[in-house]
Amino acid sequence: RKEVEQDPGPFNVPEGATVAFNCTYSNSASQSFFWYRQDCRKEPKLLMSVYSSGNEDGRFTAQLNRASQYISLLIRDSKLSDSATYLCVVNDSPNDYKLSFGAGTTVTVRA
Amino acid sequence: NAGVTQTPKFQVLKTGQSMTLQCAQDMNHNSMYWYRQDPGMGLRLIYYSASEGTTDKGEVPNGYNVSRLNKREFSLRLESAAPSQTSVYFCASSPGQGLPSYEQYFGPGTRLTVT
Repeated sequence: RKEVEQDPGPFNVPEGATVAFNCTYSNSASQSFFWYRQDCRKEPKLLMSVYSSGNEDGRFTAQLNRASQYISLLIRDSKLSDSATYLCVVNDSPNDYKLSFGAGTTVTVRA
Repeated sequence: NAGVTQTPKFQVLKTGQSMTLQCAQDMNHNSMYWYRQDPGMGLRLIYYSASEGTTDKGEVPNGYNVSRLNKREFSLRLESAAPSQTSVYFCASSPGQGLPSYEQYFGPGTRLTVT
């Protein structure tokens, strides 16, 4: 079983729409959670960390549900520039800086 | 401030050839990582170096070796390339202590094809 699982999509949405997707993780002891963004044929970049209470960064909202072991990302008022693959990332231990990456969810925003 | 740099950007090898992928970071980070990315598989950790002078195996170390040459540089060597090593290779670094410890900064990647 993969440590981090994501719906690969693609999610095809019109500009201005809201899109949301989840990621599940297998290790109940996981400590830290992140969303990274990866554009086509580019390197991943940190989009946002995910905090227990949920957090927003502009049009992006991340939620963590420890009981059900999933993380979600919601994008409001989608822009063409939001088209990318979104990677769910988990760290299992505060003493270990290794990260486990999901395979990614692809979002395509159309005009 | 270049961040994380990798060379080469592209490489084609024949089965059995060897090569070294170079990675350097100028952010004074303690930890460095090598990943491979294959379609549908996500990023998989090959080796990492938590700090200068240490290296450890990740999820898929077979067929690879690494050297943490100094705090800035972390190289990945394929001793005898195999077609299964065709992939995109990313190097990354992170502060490794203090906050934010976990944010990893990636290089632009090396696209390797083994024929």
